[in-house]
Amino acid sequence: SAVISQKPSRDICQRGTSLTIQCQVDSQVTMMFWYRQQPGQSLTLIATANQGSEATYESGFVIDKFPISRPNLTFSTLTVSNMSPEDSSIYLCSVERTSSNEQFFGPGTRLTVL
Amino acid sequence: QKEVEQNSGPLSVPEGAIASLNCTYSDRGSQSFFWYRQYSGKSPELIMSIYSNGDKEDGRFTAQLNKASQYVSLLIRDSQPSDSATYLCAVNMRNSGGSNYKLTFGKGTLLTVNP
Repeated sequence: SAVISQKPSRDICQRGTSLTIQCQVDSQVTMMFWYRQQPGQSLTLIATANQGSEATYESGFVIDKFPISRPNLTFSTLTVSNMSPEDSSIYLCSVERTSSNEQFFGPGTRLTVL
Repeated sequence: QKEVEQNSGPLSVPEGAIASLNCTYSDRGSQSFFWYRQYSGKSPELIMSIYSNGDKEDGRFTAQLNKASQYVSLLIRDSQPSDSATYLCAVNMRNSGGSNYKLTFGKGTLLTVNP
């Protein structure tokens, strides 16, 4: 499986600020995904990031709050904008092996908003 | 609403026993099914994929799929304390518009294996 890294691994931010999370993969992948895992909860898909096109957002998530970039086949960023304490969560990126639909996750970014 | 349901547990088994984890899903058209293991403070790790009815074995793990019953399970034989984790069932399900598939996760079952 691909090696996936995320930066930062954790951060503590103030209300009203923004944080950009980076996801780097060691091989080219078509599909990248961003998930949120709130404390004690399962994973919720935020959006699908495809290279060369706009990200596709799930119900309840909007581009103004979670802008995503996908400049090439190995890299993506997710920005959490105008943060509030409710945004405190773990944010995970994943990549899909196209032949099997299997998804592999990065180590995650633990975000705390004060 | 497309859903994946799991018993939240916790499920506690003694070392060496068989742990049985169950999952049901709502989308009859689903074709891909996955089990992830998540240790506390870590990201999910894919441990099993299954696509056809029946059993699939990988070491101590066996995944079972019954599409007619919309049911998928994971058996862990000879359970070890290192198997203690949350196990997430994930199903590739059609989105609300029916045009695309997305991976939908259950809430997970916390498994504790007691030495």
